[in-house]
Amino acid sequence: NAGVMQNPRHLVRRRGQEARLRCSPMKGHSHVYWYRQLPEEGLKFMVYLQKENIIDESGMPKERFSAEFPKEGPSILRIQQVVRGDSAAYFCASSPTGAGEEYIQYFGAGTRLSVL
Amino acid sequence: SQKIEQNSEALNIQEGKTATLTCNYTNYSPAYLQWYRQDPGRGPVFLLLIRENEKEKRKERLKVTFDTTLKQSLFHITASQPADSATYLCALTGYSSASKIIFGSGTRLSIRP
Repeated sequence: NAGVMQNPRHLVRRRGQEARLRCSPMKGHSHVYWYRQLPEEGLKFMVYLQKENIIDESGMPKERFSAEFPKEGPSILRIQQVVRGDSAAYFCASSPTGAGEEYIQYFGAGTRLSVL
Repeated sequence: SQKIEQNSEALNIQEGKTATLTCNYTNYSPAYLQWYRQDPGRGPVFLLLIRENEKEKRKERLKVTFDTTLKQSLFHITASQPADSATYLCALTGYSSASKIIFGSGTRLSIRP
């Protein structure tokens, strides 16, 4: 059973470009979470999605950031018009359905975004 | 607002000793508390989950306690090894199935030979 897959692992963008980060959850998982992590800091929650629904986006900046988890295909975190402050590691996690097990999260290896 | 605090300083422990990491929280009544391990350049890995009605949970050399009165969890690694060196994250989640997990900033643990 493959783990959570994120791509690309490293992404370099110039200011003003768009960044598109992809996350394929573990097989059978329908809950996806996105986090941002700056060096020497903890994980900051951004958004929680289920298939075709955004459950909680309270950690997402109001502008330039969006996320989706379509019925088919990976979850996408999209950052428009990137700025240097967007440089960070972005982690995706997935969790299984079902009571009790639902709250354990399985993380991908992350995408490191560098904005020049 | 909800707040999670972990050991603010890095922890340096002699190999073979027990490492104890602390997680304190405020303004929150979690249903579950979890501990994750994160190595440099990698995503966190789940270690242990303890429910709010459980006092203690063990897994091999790991032990977690959960005191909802003190609003504190302690994470112990016994017979520590250099391979245990990593950052350890405490995480809380609520009762709702729509609850997100809130992570602490982590404690960096170094085990010296």
